[in-house]
Amino acid sequence: AQSVAQPEDQVNVAEGNPLTVKCTYSVSGNPYLFWYVQYPNRGLQFLLKYITGDNLVKGSYGFEAEFNKSQTSFHLKKPSALVSDSALYFCAVRGLVTGRRALTFGSGTRLQVQP
Amino acid sequence: EAGVAQSPRYKIIEKRQSVAFWCNPISGHATLYWYQQILGQGPKLLIQFQNNGVVDDSQLPKDRFSAERLKGVDSTLKIQPAKLEDSAVYLCASSFEALAGGQETQYFGPGTRLLVL
Repeated sequence: AQSVAQPEDQVNVAEGNPLTVKCTYSVSGNPYLFWYVQYPNRGLQFLLKYITGDNLVKGSYGFEAEFNKSQTSFHLKKPSALVSDSALYFCAVRGLVTGRRALTFGSGTRLQVQP
Repeated sequence: EAGVAQSPRYKIIEKRQSVAFWCNPISGHATLYWYQQILGQGPKLLIQFQNNGVVDDSQLPKDRFSAERLKGVDSTLKIQPAKLEDSAVYLCASSFEALAGGQETQYFGPGTRLLVL
């Protein structure tokens, strides 16, 4: 069975500082990894994904994520945080079971950026 | 391009009542998912459709939940009868299956927030 762990319920960072939201995963075979962001009373918005290739993936709104196979991690990063980045962030993994393409999500990390 | 549409946005019912949610996926997306997101948790899959066929409903509580996707476009998720623990946000997502292997991105609707009293 596949699983995702987001070890921090909340991350606090000052505006302008770099931010990291951590994610580790467990899956058989090579994973497909995703990050989504959720604003209050909104659905999940896609940020970025890792399929194969370069371990550093660039996504929307200046976010990027680094895939580390040996540590089974896919941490989300941004060089300079904005107050508007404050939201709930979800890491998700999809394994390679043929046809079954549902995502397994972590429990989410709330990012709070202070002005 | 229009996103995934869902209605209603909010619903309050009493336990043992029935409720239905509607989803219209992005045009051309063959795969449709329903997820349940309980407060403080990540979304969990209820059911996956490929066109109008069910691919995965292993986590759907079939004694009370049902879903259909007639004609392979819109979908309806129903709960009958509802329990208190069904209070959650119900998210619909869709994806375009251009490639085999699951590389495609799922796009989510705004969700329906259900409160069962």
